Amino acid sequence: QQQVKQSPQSLIVQKGGISIINCAYENTAFDYFPWYQQFPGKGPALLIAIRPDVSEKKEGRFTISFNKSAKQFSLHIMDSQPGDSATYFCAARTRSGGYQKVTFGTGTKLQVIP
Amino acid sequence: DTAVSQTPKYLVTQMGNDKSIKCEQNLGHDTMYWYKQDSKKFLKIMFSYNNKELIINETVPNRFSPKSPDKAHLNLHINSLELGDSAVYFCASSPKTSGGEQFFGPGTRLTVL
Repeated sequence: QQQVKQSPQSLIVQKGGISIINCAYENTAFDYFPWYQQFPGKGPALLIAIRPDVSEKKEGRFTISFNKSAKQFSLHIMDSQPGDSATYFCAARTRSGGYQKVTFGTGTKLQVIP
Repeated sequence: DTAVSQTPKYLVTQMGNDKSIKCEQNLGHDTMYWYKQDSKKFLKIMFSYNNKELIINETVPNRFSPKSPDKAHLNLHINSLELGDSAVYFCASSPKTSGGEQFFGPGTRLTVL
């Protein structure tokens, strides 16, 4: 059972364009939604994160839009660059019994072409 | 300085063998994790340890046994390796069990032949 659904599986964007990756969840116990970026041969690294009481968070060219009622959130990469080519994972966290557990989406492989 | 390090980076072995992967973090974090990333890039938590104590065990076969000699180290030992164990295994750490950013290691690609 996939608790965090992510789409698309892969994405090709022209340099300078906007990359959009979407995620949806069902579990209302999720209280924190990070996005991770993973380059080939490397571990995932936190890119940007949002809490469900905020509808949007922007850091440089990266923006998370969050729709709590629809249980959906998305990552927008403005002015996409070839260096942004990587796999992106949305994730969602629960906290129970004093510990956190992070559930990852299935990943989106982004390719930005010159 | 490497924050979360793993050894080895690559591991190729035969079915039925026993192998170990080592992980160390120098961030002073209390909590460490093991994740498995399969061939489709799906990333799933296996174990979580807080200050040497097991916190999460996500229905992983008991052939997998994590060991934490101290809070800076979390090793993963796998007995009787199977073809389905082939994956990339990531170690991660976070400041505390209840929250904080997770920092991932570079991964260990395990191939079982």
